[in-house]
Amino acid sequence: EPEVTQTPSHQVTQMGQEVILRCVPISNHLYFYWYRQILGQKVEFLVSFYNNEISEKSEIFDDQFSVERPDGSNFTLKIRSTKLEDSAMYFCASNPWASGNGEQFFGPGTRLTVL
Amino acid sequence: AQSVTQPDIHITVSEGASLELRCNYSYGATPYLFWYVQSPGQGLQLLLKYFSGDTLVQGIKGFEAEFKRSQSSFNLRKPSVHWSDAAEYFCAVYGGATNKLIFGTGTLLAVQP
Repeated sequence: EPEVTQTPSHQVTQMGQEVILRCVPISNHLYFYWYRQILGQKVEFLVSFYNNEISEKSEIFDDQFSVERPDGSNFTLKIRSTKLEDSAMYFCASNPWASGNGEQFFGPGTRLTVL
Repeated sequence: AQSVTQPDIHITVSEGASLELRCNYSYGATPYLFWYVQSPGQGLQLLLKYFSGDTLVQGIKGFEAEFKRSQSSFNLRKPSVHWSDAAEYFCAVYGGATNKLIFGTGTLLAVQP
């Protein structure tokens, strides 16, 4: 069964460094999402992406964040200058419907630790 | 704005007992509702979803949920809990033009032997 994959599973970085979190959505899916979960808190929406552009972003998704689908298979989240408060689990999800309806399929997550 | 409330932060049940986890939502139109489960250190697994039709939906692992529009609720139930059900459970609703998921704060389930 196809699944969403994410790499790395755990990333440790120093404050101020750039990180890139990678996701491979299910092929032929059309909508892509990033969510994050700070330890002990709820899962929060960051950004949705469709047709090679951002469809919607939350107030969390400031200028330090960017997303890209560089090659038609990968979907990346970049944090330019990490802060301590960026430490969280980051989940990628994809959705097969152009309308965005239907079930979102989640990856296993990347745990980002900022020191 | 859309929102989800899970009033129970932490629930403990005995193995074999029945379970009901509460979820209330706020959404103007017919909602798309979901329950996800997260085991410690793991990702999110979909238990079940409601889009339309029969208001009682069956999911994996013996879980079911009932959509009650009049109460704006989508409570998750299981008749007999197993120790392996210990995890955190999140209720979610689609919101916005891009159908981002809006999650509740979660209910942590502990199962006593």
